[in-house]
Amino acid sequence: AQTVTQSQPEMSVQEAETVTLSCTYDTSESDYYLFWYKQPPSRQMILVIRQEAYKQQNATENRFSVNFQKAAKSFSLKISDSQLGDAAMYFCAYRSSGNQFYFGTGTSLTVIP
Amino acid sequence: SAVISQKPSRDICQRGTSLTIQCQVDSQVTMMFWYRQQPGQSLTLIATANQGSEATYESGFVIDKFPISRPNLTFSTLTVSNMSPEDSSIYLCSGIGAIPNTEAFFGQGTRLTVV
Repeated sequence: AQTVTQSQPEMSVQEAETVTLSCTYDTSESDYYLFWYKQPPSRQMILVIRQEAYKQQNATENRFSVNFQKAAKSFSLKISDSQLGDAAMYFCAYRSSGNQFYFGTGTSLTVIP
Repeated sequence: SAVISQKPSRDICQRGTSLTIQCQVDSQVTMMFWYRQQPGQSLTLIATANQGSEATYESGFVIDKFPISRPNLTFSTLTVSNMSPEDSSIYLCSGIGAIPNTEAFFGQGTRLTVV
């Protein structure tokens, strides 16, 4: 079974600075999809960024980018120019070829003004 | 991506009663899932809702406690039956489309408190 590990339960960053959230996963599949979700106190899960495993190029969405290392099974999220609205719980997720989703335990991000 | 409307957003219920949570999707989805989430923790999959057939439950969850219906491709319900305080949690529904690289999208969640 696939597992997703987020080793940082809590992180903090100064406003306007950069922070990196870590994620590793374990799988025997070659084709899969990876996601980062943000969950603010409102509870709504919001997609931040996605990465297809077959793509070598790292995905980027405005201030959010990933460092995808397929051989190392690592998928970290970098948030640049952090804003107060980035404060939330962040979940790394893996979508298997069988359409099951596996979520990490989450990283709580605090943005310090 | 699709939008899921989930209701109620929160409820406080007496132990021994049942609560039905509804999720309506604005487009057809191939798969729908129900999760439970304790505040500040990750999502635990309860079951996969299958259209027109019995849901597929994960270990530790049973149909008698969490009956699920999915009469069509855009609607599903989860009932939390014979509730106890241990059932207090956030319940989330989720759906995915047929295209492999698309994300899962989520309802707004239901915060359930059992007293």
